[in-house]
Amino acid sequence: NAGVMQNPRHLVRRRGQEARLRCSPMKGHSHVYWYRQLPEEGLKFMVYLQKENIIDESGMPKERFSAEFPKEGPSILRIQQVVRGDSAAYFCASSPRWEVSRTGNEQFFGPGTRLTVL
Amino acid sequence: DAKTTQPTSMDCAEGRAANLPCNHSTISGNEYVYWYRQIHSQGPQYIIHGLKNNETNEMASLIITEDRKSSTLILPHATLRDTAVYYCIVSGVTSGSRLTFGEGTQLTVNP
Repeated sequence: NAGVMQNPRHLVRRRGQEARLRCSPMKGHSHVYWYRQLPEEGLKFMVYLQKENIIDESGMPKERFSAEFPKEGPSILRIQQVVRGDSAAYFCASSPRWEVSRTGNEQFFGPGTRLTVL
Repeated sequence: DAKTTQPTSMDCAEGRAANLPCNHSTISGNEYVYWYRQIHSQGPQYIIHGLKNNETNEMASLIITEDRKSSTLILPHATLRDTAVYYCIVSGVTSGSRLTFGEGTQLTVNP
């Protein structure tokens, strides 16, 4: 059973270019989360999506960042006009659909995409 | 989400039990305690979680105090590969609850 997959693992962009990060959740998981880890800092929540819906984007920067999770295909985190401060590790996590009678909402993380902006 | 407090760092000898404490005195009744770890810039790894009863799985045991204000993660026989930052997180029970990562505890397992 494959885990959460992210690609590319490493991405280099020049200032002003666009970065597209892809995340394929674990099989059977319908919830996707994106987190960012800046150098020497902790992980910060960015956005939570279900298929075709953004549920919580309270952690997303207001400009240049967007996320989607289409009906078919992976979730995409898109950063337009990248700046040096966007250099970070971006982690995607997925979880199964919550059932009230079951246990918590454990999230399973991918290996991350390391974005470097030159 | 309730705030958690963990020691900044801990050391443990290989083969011995590692006991990592966490305080979460403001935890509310419907919040779970989760433990994750991050091994040197890899993606965080889920370890275990619980509500009020002690839990055990193939990786670790979780002991939650009766008042739920603190918990301890136990790695029964630590190995060098258990060296990582361990995060104690309190999160709501509903689907979609974000995980709020704090500073965590840097556990170093020594040979």
